[in-house]
Amino acid sequence: EVQLLESGGGLGQPGGSLRLSCEASGFTFSSYAMTWVRQAPGKGLEWVSAIRGTGSRTYYADSVKGRFTISRDNSKNTVYLEMNTLRAEDTAVYYCAKDRFGYPGDAGFDYWGQGTLVTVSS
Amino acid sequence: QSVLTQPPSTSGTPGQRVSISCSGSSSNIGTNTVNWYQQLPGTAPKLLIYSNNQRPSGVPDRFSGSKSGTSASLAISGLQSEDEADYYCAAWDDGLNGVVFGGGTKLTVL
Repeated sequence: EVQLLESGGGLGQPGGSLRLSCEASGFTFSSYAMTWVRQAPGKGLEWVSAIRGTGSRTYYADSVKGRFTISRDNSKNTVYLEMNTLRAEDTAVYYCAKDRFGYPGDAGFDYWGQGTLVTVSS
Repeated sequence: QSVLTQPPSTSGTPGQRVSISCSGSSSNIGTNTVNWYQQLPGTAPKLLIYSNNQRPSGVPDRFSGSKSGTSASLAISGLQSEDEADYYCAAWDDGLNGVVFGGGTKLTVL
């Protein structure tokens, strides 16, 4: 059974940092791209970042480029999202999702975690 | 404002057929496949349709997808109360080099 378990959410200060983790199980982790999608309170879904299964290439939404860094440790079946220079508009539930293929694209996300809430406020 | 355009809401009665549209451009829907997600209240999204019209295992055949040019559509036939949810379309955008979502459509079953 595929499981994705996010952690690391909480209260962050404007200009501060948070690190999200997503531990995966139930599939060959290194064979699949992984993606972070966020959802602000009462709003729709927003794609944030993705990383290839090999970790060789990363992708970012313009809204987070230069502030967020995605990475993965295939030996620990875990993908990370390092969030720096936090802004109020980064407040959202952050979902970790498994891509259907080894590289990000239009294949779709077939499994999602339960999400972790990030609140940016002073 | 979302890159893909969906109607904010739609509704139907049990047993009815409803359709949700998703409009994009040549850089996303026009050249890449479309996926649809269902988000039940208080839960994570779930993949409903991939590659324009393919259903993952376990998704009822009441759900179907189609694509034509730069637009796509999700149809739900035999509407049931448990179908009440938010529905999102998504596609890869070659210009943005990332996934773009529609703003979501809230389906109400009357």
